[in-house]
Amino acid sequence: SQKIEQNSEALNIQEGKTATLTCNYTNYSPAYLQWYRQDPGRGPVFLLLIRENEKEKRKERLKVTFDTTLKQSLFHITASQPADSATYLCALDLTSGTYKYIFGTGTRLKVLA
Amino acid sequence: EAQVTQNPRYLITVTGKKLTVTCSQNMNHEYMSWYRQDPGLGLRQIYYSMNVEVTDKGDVPEGYKVSRKEKRNFPLILESPSPNQTSLYFCASSSGDASSYEQYFGPGTRLTVT
Repeated sequence: SQKIEQNSEALNIQEGKTATLTCNYTNYSPAYLQWYRQDPGRGPVFLLLIRENEKEKRKERLKVTFDTTLKQSLFHITASQPADSATYLCALDLTSGTYKYIFGTGTRLKVLA
Repeated sequence: EAQVTQNPRYLITVTGKKLTVTCSQNMNHEYMSWYRQDPGLGLRQIYYSMNVEVTDKGDVPEGYKVSRKEKRNFPLILESPSPNQTSLYFCASSSGDASSYEQYFGPGTRLTVT
């Protein structure tokens, strides 16, 4: 069955450093992968989408890479700030065009001032 | 303001007492979905709908029902709730915009079944 793995442990980094989060998947070849941010007690908020034919996508301080050979996506936050502290989720579409999704369990990021 | 609303936000109920969690979006989105979120298991899709009268099972549909009679509403029905359905529930919608397939999530409904 399809499976997504994200760093299950929290990631603590110093303010100003680059945070790198990992999303690995197995048994599937998604058409695209999404990253969401979730704050405690709130619904996830969409950040970025990267397609299978894209190697890298950027949005302000965010960068996402997608390696379909390794079946891995990396999510980078450069010049991290305490306000970036949250849980970050990756999501894959299970069947292209049907909106059937699988989410990872998320990685909790804490940026220390 | 573009948003997805859910009601109630918090609900404590007893085993077997039917309940409905409502979800409404004001963005004219075709796609809507229900998820549950549990510690260590992440977000799991319960049901989704690609348009009015079109619904399909997600990863964990057992014990749940949905209906999509209007584009803006997508209620989640628990006919006979059990304690293992205690969870945080999220409704989401999407326009299907191929540039992002962005899902907009509601604020969540925390359900406790005793």
